[in-house]
Amino acid sequence: DAGVIQSPRHEVTEMGQEVTLRCKPISGHDYLFWYRQTMMRGLELLIYFNNNVPIDDSGMPEDRFSAKMPNASFSTLKIQPSEPRDSAVYFCASSTRDNSPLHFGNGTRLTVT
Amino acid sequence: AQSVAQPEDQVNVAEGNPLTVKCTYSVSGNPYLFWYVQYPNRGLQFLLKYITGDNLVKGSYGFEAEFNKSQTSFHLKKPSALVSDSALYFCAVRVGGGATNKLIFGTGTLLAVQP
Repeated sequence: DAGVIQSPRHEVTEMGQEVTLRCKPISGHDYLFWYRQTMMRGLELLIYFNNNVPIDDSGMPEDRFSAKMPNASFSTLKIQPSEPRDSAVYFCASSTRDNSPLHFGNGTRLTVT
Repeated sequence: AQSVAQPEDQVNVAEGNPLTVKCTYSVSGNPYLFWYVQYPNRGLQFLLKYITGDNLVKGSYGFEAEFNKSQTSFHLKKPSALVSDSALYFCAVRVGGGATNKLIFGTGTLLAVQP
C-alpha cells in the first residue's frame, strides 16, 4: 500500500498564476478530503468527497479555489488566480467508511510570491 | 457549534516521565473523538479514536486517551515519554450527522520530550 500520494511536494509560483495540486487516494477508500495548514489558522477542511461526489465545500475560501474528483483514484485542487495569502501546506486524505481513520498524504507546500 | 480545544500550545516533559496532552470538546449528541500526530514535513497519522464503549482507549505507540463525559475531555496520555514522541499532536471531532467522516481539528499541541 503506497498510501495517499500527493504531487508536487513543493510548488513555488508567482501571484496570478494557476496552481494545480494532485492527489491519488488509497485504493478502495470512499472518502477524500482536502485540508490546508497554516500557522495562523491551523488545519482547515476545504472540501470533501464521498464516492467521487463533493459533499461539503463550505471550507473553500472563495471562487478562486475549485476541486474535482473525476474518478475514484484521482483528485485535483486548483487555485486560479493564486495569491500570496494562499501560501500554505495542502494535505489530501482518504478514508473508508464513517469513523474510520483518515490517511494523509505528505502534503504540498505551496509558496506564492 | 461543534469544536475541540487544545489549551496548551506546547507541553514539555522529561524522557521517562508520564505525559498528558489536553483536549476538550463541544458537540451535540454523542462525540466521536480522535487523536493524530504529525512529524515534521509529514502528513498526520492516526493514533486512536473513541466512538463508544470503554472510556480508556488504547492506541498506537503506547498512547492512550481517557474519555470523560462530565468534563467533556479526551486527554492523550502515555506512561513513559520517549524523545521520539516529540511531535505535533492534534485532537479532532467528527461533525455532522448521517453518513460522514468529516473531522474538525484542534489547533495542535507541540510535545517536546527532553532527554
